[in-house]
Amino acid sequence: EAQVTQNPRYLITVTGKKLTVTCSQNMNHEYMSWYRQDPGLGLRQIYYSMNVEVTDKGDVPEGYKVSRKEKRNFPLILESPSPNQTSLYFCASSPTLAYGYTFGSGTRLTVV
Amino acid sequence: ILNVEQSPQSLHVQEGDSTNFTCSFPSSNFYALHWYRWETAKSPEALFVMTLNGDEKKKGRISATLNTKEGYSYLYIKGSQPEDSATYLCAFCYSGGGADGLTFGKGTHLIIQP
Repeated sequence: EAQVTQNPRYLITVTGKKLTVTCSQNMNHEYMSWYRQDPGLGLRQIYYSMNVEVTDKGDVPEGYKVSRKEKRNFPLILESPSPNQTSLYFCASSPTLAYGYTFGSGTRLTVV
Repeated sequence: ILNVEQSPQSLHVQEGDSTNFTCSFPSSNFYALHWYRWETAKSPEALFVMTLNGDEKKKGRISATLNTKEGYSYLYIKGSQPEDSATYLCAFCYSGGGADGLTFGKGTHLIIQP
């Protein structure tokens, strides 16, 4: 089944403890992206990647890192999480932006 | 940061009625306009992607139009059903030397009342 798999679905962590949210797609898509969803603010892009080893900042990249060492994986790294990074995170992929995104099922992160 | 506006923010529609809502986006350097449907507790799902001025797309009772010169797109739902209740998102992509990602609007929250 064609899908984007995010893990974990839910995570509660403490301020400053490094964490990684994984994202993997099995559709050979070149384009992958991370978004965060906050009430009243909509989906905001954190980082995106147009292909292996090609990544760029979105609108809200502060406090996040990404890597794209393989085509299928695009992990989101929070080196030192803070409470303002509490949010619902989505990973998405597509062949190009002339096609619709396939979204992962989301990761709800709480930083206390 | 690009400005993508959706209106109205929320909408209550009686079952069986038709409805429409708007997405406004920058009219310069257009690349693509996406529409997504997002049900509560699920992930957004792509409805349409439009790339040409004047594009019209249809899927069942849902259709969309695109005007890139004036920077707007309409989504239409004909004969609304309770299962149409969802948040509808549009997303704009501009051609900036390589597509730089999708900028989403905040969505129109549609509630169909039986």
